[in-house]
Amino acid sequence: AQSVTQLDSHVSVSEGTPVLLRCNYSSSYSPSLFWYVQHPNKGLQLLLKYTSAATLVKGINGFEAEFKKSETSFHLTKPSAHMSDAAEYFCVVSRDRDDKIIFGKGTRLHILP
Amino acid sequence: DAGVTQSPTHLIKTRGQHVTLRCSPISGHKSVSWYQQVLGQGPQFIFQYYEKEERGRGNFPDRFSARQFPNYSSELNVNALLLGDSALYLCASSLGGWGRGSYNEQFFGPGTRLTVL
Repeated sequence: AQSVTQLDSHVSVSEGTPVLLRCNYSSSYSPSLFWYVQHPNKGLQLLLKYTSAATLVKGINGFEAEFKKSETSFHLTKPSAHMSDAAEYFCVVSRDRDDKIIFGKGTRLHILP
Repeated sequence: DAGVTQSPTHLIKTRGQHVTLRCSPISGHKSVSWYQQVLGQGPQFIFQYYEKEERGRGNFPDRFSARQFPNYSSELNVNALLLGDSALYLCASSLGGWGRGSYNEQFFGPGTRLTVL
């Protein structure tokens, strides 16, 4: 069975400071992992994805995530937060035999001026 | 190119009624998936269709049904609405086709906000 756990429901950072959103996963085999972002009243947008290639994955808008098998983690980071980063972020795991994807409960990122 | 479109954007129904939500995938995409997102939660998988056949079903009651048409658009139907069905319903499309390591990125529509009174 596959699952993802987002360790923080809310994260607040000041503009210009680093962002860390934590995600742990559980999978019976090598997973595909993703981060999606959801801005208010907008659809889900794919930030980045890991599919067993490089363990450090770069995404859009300066975000990146590192796949750590030993820690079963896939944390999302950004060196410097921007006000426009305020949104809900979802860590997602997928199974290879179909497109079914399982979402975490989400982390709300707040950016303080 | 147009992205995934969903209609209607908002809908208000009363308990016991029936609702039909519609989704048009990106041109060339053959797979459509439906998700329910309750306020404050992550999306939950409801159905997946590929080439007009059901490929997967989540843990939802039989009141929920769906179908995919020859043009790959899809409908989600919910009967005997309950207050708890109030949610954002998301549709996602992908190219389809499976195999180890061949993940097909899903593209999400803006959703239909269903309110059950």
